Amino acid sequence: GEDVEQSLFLSVREGDSSVINCTYTDSSSTYLYWYKQEPGAGLQLLTYIFSNMDMKQDQRLTVLLNKKDKHLSLRIADTQTGDSAIYFCAETLSGGYNKLIFGAGTRLAVHP
Amino acid sequence: EPEVTQTPSHQVTQMGQEVILRCVPISNHLYFYWYRQILGQKVEFLVSFYNNEISEKSEIFDDQFSVERPDGSNFTLKIRSTKLEDSAMYFCASSEGETGDRDEQFFGPGTRLTVL
Repeated sequence: GEDVEQSLFLSVREGDSSVINCTYTDSSSTYLYWYKQEPGAGLQLLTYIFSNMDMKQDQRLTVLLNKKDKHLSLRIADTQTGDSAIYFCAETLSGGYNKLIFGAGTRLAVHP
Repeated sequence: EPEVTQTPSHQVTQMGQEVILRCVPISNHLYFYWYRQILGQKVEFLVSFYNNEISEKSEIFDDQFSVERPDGSNFTLKIRSTKLEDSAMYFCASSEGETGDRDEQFFGPGTRLTVL
């Protein structure tokens, strides 16, 4: 079945790296995504990775995909207080008409 | 920058009442979506809409739910007779409808629905 799991909470010190993890069950994922939600705002697409890639870097963000283990991670380098938000992992499936399947979100708290 | 807007931001209703949640997608987008998130749970897909008809819907989207694009700009979600378990944050999204590649969905800020 379609299932995406994430840990619910992560606390890091400002300037450290954050790593948010996600696992998924479906083998027919086409794209995997990371969305960010700040208080009172909608879901903002941060980055994505095509399922036949294993890494993507975009400035402070690094996405790693282990397709064998169905494990996705988002690393944020030099985490800032402005990075405090909820981060959602999501996937689309082949033949899925572009519907997004989300995890429950990881709340990232950045403290000084 | 174009954005998806939703109204109201918070809707409180009595159980059994009808509610209509409104969304204005980005103007040149062709695909429209509703998702919901019950407090503390996952964001769940409800329905996608293209060319004035539903293209996919989830098991949650039963006969109590309907969607409509009543004019060229609005996209609405109607819940006919609300239940307590319909209390959730409802997100609207839209996308251009690109083929052959990833079709990015842009999300609105959500409407929090509280059913008493």
